[in-house]
Amino acid sequence: SQKIEQNSEALNIQEGKTATLTCNYTNYSPAYLQWYRQDPGRGPVFLLLIRENEKEKRKERLKVTFDTTLKQSLFHITASQPADSATYLCALLTSGTYKYIFGTGTRLKVLA
Amino acid sequence: GAGVSQSPRYKVTKRGQDVALRCDPISGHVSLYWYRQALGQGPEFLTYFNYEAQQDKSGLPNDRFSAERPEGSISTLTIQRTEQRDSAMYRCASSPGEGLSVSYEQYFGPGTRLTVT
Repeated sequence: SQKIEQNSEALNIQEGKTATLTCNYTNYSPAYLQWYRQDPGRGPVFLLLIRENEKEKRKERLKVTFDTTLKQSLFHITASQPADSATYLCALLTSGTYKYIFGTGTRLKVLA
Repeated sequence: GAGVSQSPRYKVTKRGQDVALRCDPISGHVSLYWYRQALGQGPEFLTYFNYEAQQDKSGLPNDRFSAERPEGSISTLTIQRTEQRDSAMYRCASSPGEGLSVSYEQYFGPGTRLTVT
């Protein structure tokens, strides 16, 4: 069956370190993968988009990788700050559809 | 500029009543999505509009759920004969792009928290 998995446990890291979040999927062939940030009580906010033919995308302190062989995307936040604390969601779009499939999200807490 | 707005923000209704949830997307955005989000979960796709055309409604749980976007802007999600299991956060998102198999960033609204008693 089709499944998207993100770390279900919360991730606690020390300020200044690099946070790495994973998004694994099975039985999908995503053409695109997006990452969103969601704060409590708010809607998700778009961060980055990566296409299936791209290995890596960067934006400021954020980096996303996409490995279609491993069926995995990694999301990195370098020099993390307490303000980066939030839930991070990945979302897949499969070729030939309009339907985004979201993961359950990983809660990140950056400790000062 | 103004973001995506939704109304009402909170709705409490009795089982069996109909409810209409409104989404006002960012001006000029072609694509509009409706999602349902349970606590601790990611958004669950319900339906997608490209302008006024409902291109995908595969995520609507049953025929009590319907959506429209008659003029290609504001959209309404209607739930008839509400049941307690319909209680959730309903979010809409708009996107500037259109087209099958093309991905653009989505801008989410604040959501409508629906509680069915």
